[in-house]
Amino acid sequence: DAGITQSPRHKVTETGTPVTLRCHQTENHRYMYWYRQDPGHGLRLIHYSYGVKDTDKGEVSDGYSVSRSKTEDFLLTLESATSSQTSVYFCAISPGTGGREQYFGPGTRLTVT
Amino acid sequence: QQQVKQSPQSLIVQKGGISIINCAYENTAFDYFPWYQQFPGKGPALLIAIRPDVSEKKEGRFTISFNKSAKQFSLHIMDSQPGDSATYFCAPQKAGGTSYGKLTFGQGTILTVHP
Repeated sequence: DAGITQSPRHKVTETGTPVTLRCHQTENHRYMYWYRQDPGHGLRLIHYSYGVKDTDKGEVSDGYSVSRSKTEDFLLTLESATSSQTSVYFCAISPGTGGREQYFGPGTRLTVT
Repeated sequence: QQQVKQSPQSLIVQKGGISIINCAYENTAFDYFPWYQQFPGKGPALLIAIRPDVSEKKEGRFTISFNKSAKQFSLHIMDSQPGDSATYFCAPQKAGGTSYGKLTFGQGTILTVHP
């Protein structure tokens, strides 16, 4: 494994509540990404980071925000969870070789009821 | 907006057979063409990748063929084994610069290899 952990691994929450998912790496890699995986859609990029405090939006960023105050941690926040955000969330890291090699975490299964 | 189209959606192969999965893309700025393998309950893992300056790359039983003019690349798994049963994703990307290697995933192909 590439030294990536995600927490929590499973979470059930109610519509309208805020939720924060954490990605932690021990590799000191520069690039970090958040993807969501849904049946029939493959994986889609939510947000990414190319350094501490440097973040940008991906393909499906509406309803999500991120923060990266330390190299090792990348947080994904759902400000007010909706049922459409029920998904499996994956964090990925890359050593900065242009992002060519990405290593994925084990995922967080989030259910919004 | 379907920038990446992968086929087939599912594939059943007998042990020892050849598995072929195709990926078509639209964005001519892509300059790195990886395939990821995902087992149930796990995150995707980089399997093999090719740069556009070569037409084929082989790593063990896995081969990528790349056709730049057709904007297509494919994954060939020779001598398929039951342990290859997984979901495979193509995920072309524009590496480096201000693209930061963002992956654009295909929809995935579920491969089942029967013993």
